[in-house]
Amino acid sequence: DGQLVESGGGLVNPGGSLRLSCVASGFRFNYYSMQWVRQAPGRGLEWVADVSSMSSYILYADSVKGRFTVSRDDAANSLYLQMDSLRVEDTAVYYCARLVTNRPPHIDCWGQGTLVTVSS
Amino acid sequence: DIQMTQSPSSLSAFVGDRVTITCRASRPISNYLNWYQKKPGKAPKLLIYAASTLQTGVPSRFSGSESGTDFTLTISSLQPEDFATYYCQESYSDFYTFGQGTKLEI
Repeated sequence: DGQLVESGGGLVNPGGSLRLSCVASGFRFNYYSMQWVRQAPGRGLEWVADVSSMSSYILYADSVKGRFTVSRDDAANSLYLQMDSLRVEDTAVYYCARLVTNRPPHIDCWGQGTLVTVSS
Repeated sequence: DIQMTQSPSSLSAFVGDRVTITCRASRPISNYLNWYQKKPGKAPKLLIYAASTLQTGVPSRFSGSESGTDFTLTISSLQPEDFATYYCQESYSDFYTFGQGTKLEI
């Protein structure tokens, strides 16, 4: 069925950096596109980034483009999100998610989330 | 970009009620519409994909339908565990836009 476990969240100053990790188990990680989705306190869900299998294409939300970098290591069954130039508005719970790309695409597996707090 | 507009933003209901949540896309998205349930402190859960296909393991009281750019999530008989926030999401574009959510309260 699959399991995703995120780590790396924490408190960081505005302008700082943080790297989130997500380890996958129970499914063939390299077959799937993977995404990051976040939820700011009291707000709704927001798609952040997408990386296809074999990293063939990578997409970002406009709100993070140029500051965040998504990557994957299929040998380690791991997904990463490097977050630079962090802003207060990046404060959120960040979820790692598995995307089923059979038309239409949908997320069928989520991690438990890791909290990122950007504050001075 | 595709905008997804959910209504209502909040809804009060009782156990046993039939409730309907609507999501409208700003332009045609075929059936590229998913519904998720979100509870505080928990990961989102996929309920329905392709507008009307029930995810494995989701109770049959949940159903989805589409009419043009309007999509509907229906819960036929509310159970106590259904009180949560519900989100639609389009997967037609590259940006997987979510609706703003509908909080279902007792």
